[in-house]
Amino acid sequence: ILNVEQSPQSLHVQEGDSTNFTCSFPSSNFYALHWYRWETAKSPEALFVMTLNGDEKKKGRISATLNTKEGYSYLYIKGSQPEDSATYLCASLDNYGQNFVFGPGTRLSVLP
Amino acid sequence: DVKVTQSSRYLVKRTGEKVFLECVQDMDHENMFWYRQDPGLGLRLIYFSYDVKMKEKGDIPEGYSVSREKKERFSLILESASTNQTSMYLCASSLVQGPNTGELFFGEGSRLTVL
Repeated sequence: ILNVEQSPQSLHVQEGDSTNFTCSFPSSNFYALHWYRWETAKSPEALFVMTLNGDEKKKGRISATLNTKEGYSYLYIKGSQPEDSATYLCASLDNYGQNFVFGPGTRLSVLP
Repeated sequence: DVKVTQSSRYLVKRTGEKVFLECVQDMDHENMFWYRQDPGLGLRLIYFSYDVKMKEKGDIPEGYSVSREKKERFSLILESASTNQTSMYLCASSLVQGPNTGELFFGEGSRLTVL
């Protein structure tokens, strides 16, 4: 089974701080990488779908980059707000390009 | 507004009981999935289905079965619940099959406690 790792496991930041976290995945047989945001008591929701090396995607204050050659993706949040508090999941397609394998998530708490 | 609906948000069952978790999507998606989420672990795939009547084992199928009689409905069955099946269960659906699979749409989860 493909191994997807995320770091840090959790972090606390002050409102207004910018932050970033990492998703690592095997670089061989790469197909696609997804980022999801999972707020407490809600459904996980897709943030980004990334497929090409060097991809950079942005949605408001949140952006992501992808390096498929070295097997990592960064998620950046600029000027964190309390509503950004959530668990951020990344997922990479498995070696068969069939199903997604999820990392354990990064739990972000933004303190007002 | 597209939606994946799971029948129960919270369930408490006893060891040995049969448990049904229902999932319905209204997006006409071909693909449906069942995951479980445990602290410190990523979402782990239990079973998936790419078409009606079709089912495939995921990474952790032991102790579970599924049913997909209609395109919109995917049910997860615990034939005889055990305490190690206490977990959060998430259903998801997606439209595109194969490499570069489209994003997953999730339900809100069903938190099952087995006593």
